Amino acid sequence: EDQVTQSPEALRLQEGESSSLNCSYTVSGLRGLFWYRQDPGKGPEFLFTLYSAGEEKEKERLKATLTKKESFLHITAPKPEDSATYLCAVQAPWDSNYQLIWGAGTKLIIKP
Amino acid sequence: DSGVTQTPKHLITATGQRVTLRCSPRSGDLSVYWYQQSLDQGLQFLIQYYNGEERAKGNILERFSAQQFPDLHSELNLSSLELGDSALYFCASSAFGQGGYTFGSGTRLTVV
Repeated sequence: EDQVTQSPEALRLQEGESSSLNCSYTVSGLRGLFWYRQDPGKGPEFLFTLYSAGEEKEKERLKATLTKKESFLHITAPKPEDSATYLCAVQAPWDSNYQLIWGAGTKLIIKP
Repeated sequence: DSGVTQTPKHLITATGQRVTLRCSPRSGDLSVYWYQQSLDQGLQFLIQYYNGEERAKGNILERFSAQQFPDLHSELNLSSLELGDSALYFCASSAFGQGGYTFGSGTRLTVV
């Protein structure tokens, strides 16, 4: 069964303490992998799309990388405003409806 | 503003009642997706429409139904409401094809 697993479930960091979030997937082949940020009570906000192993994308303090089995979201020198739940989703090549398979998310808390 | 508009933002209703949630997709997007997110839970896929036709169903209860109209806006109808239906309901849209979704800000439904 195609699955997306995110770890850790929650991560508490001090402001400025860099770390990484993991998204592993079992989808055979990959049409795309997506990272979203979700603030409490708000809709998920698109961050990145990655399509092939070795690809990297950056935005401010965030950098997403992709291998054949997992993706990492690296957060460099985070600030309290980076606190949110980060969601990962994959799109399988076999799905003609282009559905996204979602992970459960990592709740990131940055303490000042 | 993501370009996906959901109304109303908040809805409080009694058990046994029926409500309609509305979604206008981003301009040019033909596909609409509905998701339910209960407190501190992940996104649960309900149903997908593409250009007016139902394309995929997820864990949608028989008490729930949806449709997409010729102008591409979509409505999610929830009937015989129960306390457990209290949740955030998100609509997302996409151009249909390789690529991610754009989410609306959601409707918070409270059943009392």
